[in-house]
Amino acid sequence: KNEVEQSPQNLTAQEGEFITINCSYSVGISALHWLQQHPGGGIVSLFMLSSGKKKHGRLIATINIQEKHSSLHITASHPRDSAVYICGQGGSEKLVFGKGTKLTVNP
Amino acid sequence: NAGVMQNPRHLVRRRGQEARLRCSPMKGHSHVYWYRQLPEEGLKFMVYLQKENIIDESGMPKERFSAEFPKEGPSILRIQQVVRGDSAAYFCASSPQRAGELFFGEGSRLTVL
Repeated sequence: KNEVEQSPQNLTAQEGEFITINCSYSVGISALHWLQQHPGGGIVSLFMLSSGKKKHGRLIATINIQEKHSSLHITASHPRDSAVYICGQGGSEKLVFGKGTKLTVNP
Repeated sequence: NAGVMQNPRHLVRRRGQEARLRCSPMKGHSHVYWYRQLPEEGLKFMVYLQKENIIDESGMPKERFSAEFPKEGPSILRIQQVVRGDSAAYFCASSPQRAGELFFGEGSRLTVL
């Protein structure tokens, strides 16, 4: 059974801090997705990656295939980064998602 | 290029009624996925469709739930005889290719009284 675990569940940071959110999964992947969900809002796809590292602005996603682990990093965090971050993965289009990490960045 | 459009954004139904949720994928996208997000839980896959075909419906309850993606028009997720446990946010995502990058809609929030 494919399982996806995220840590931490909740994270509070001060503006400007470097943030790391972790995602571990149990079966091999074709791609891993990182999503962002604002309170009461829609979902935005941040990254889809199957190896190495991707960067977009202040966001960086990395993946270690051997260890079945991915991280999402946010540099110079800002209150507008406050959201739930969700990772999802699977061997096909039927993705399995973690429960999300709720990030709060205080000014 | 408009994004994925879902409607209604909010829907209230009484137990036993029917709920119909619509999803118009991004232009040029023929792959549509429906996910359900229960309160305090993660996103759960429900069904994957391509135009006129259901590819994978393994995440959808066997009874009361159905989905379609006709040749013309939006994809529709239909829930018959709704129960309180169906209250959730239902998200649609589209992709230009199978297992490709997903583009999500704003979601439809169903409340069953």
